[in-house]
Amino acid sequence: GDSVTQMEGPVTLSEEAFLTINCTYTATGYPSLFWYVQYPGEGLQLLLKATKADDKGSNKGFEATYRKETTSFHLEKGSVQVSDSAVYFCALGSNAGGTSYGKLTFGQGTILTVHP
Amino acid sequence: DAGVTQSPTHLIKTRGQQVTLRCSPKSGHDTVSWYQQALGQGPQFIFQYYEEEERQRGNFPDRFSGHQFPNYSSELNVNALLLGDSALYLCASSLVGGGSGTQYFGPGTRLTVL
Repeated sequence: GDSVTQMEGPVTLSEEAFLTINCTYTATGYPSLFWYVQYPGEGLQLLLKATKADDKGSNKGFEATYRKETTSFHLEKGSVQVSDSAVYFCALGSNAGGTSYGKLTFGQGTILTVHP
Repeated sequence: DAGVTQSPTHLIKTRGQQVTLRCSPKSGHDTVSWYQQALGQGPQFIFQYYEEEERQRGNFPDRFSGHQFPNYSSELNVNALLLGDSALYLCASSLVGGGSGTQYFGPGTRLTVL
């Protein structure tokens, strides 16, 4: 079945440091890939997405490239801010019946803490 | 444009009781999915509703059931509550065939079972 593996955290960085959170997946077919962010006490917010191989998703300075050959979708940001402190989830969207998308399969999440 | 809304925000129940959680999808969306997020874990898919029918189901027992109404809103029902059902329950909405199938999440309902 589908699965997502994220690098184990927590990750602690100083402000303006470079961020990488690794994500690899196992899936049949051609899934879509997502990064969601969860701030304390809140639901999940979509951060970025990519729907096919070699697509790059980007938002708010974060980027991730859909690499089919390595089955990866690593999240990167060149300069993190204190406000980026949150839990980050990599997710895989399965294709249900070819006409729409079914369940999301999530990784276990990576806690990011950014210090001033 | 209202996003996904869920009610109630918090709920405390005792073992053996039944609970109903509610979700209104984002405007224009027709599909609702439910997820359970245990503390410190990623969300786990419970089921998805489209056209008032359950289209897909995750690995959850029959104690978990749902419903979708003609206005696309949805309910999640859990019977015979167990301590292990304590979690954040997230609702997500999407549009069939729309975009990449991106799901937008509500703020969740925190269920505590005592």
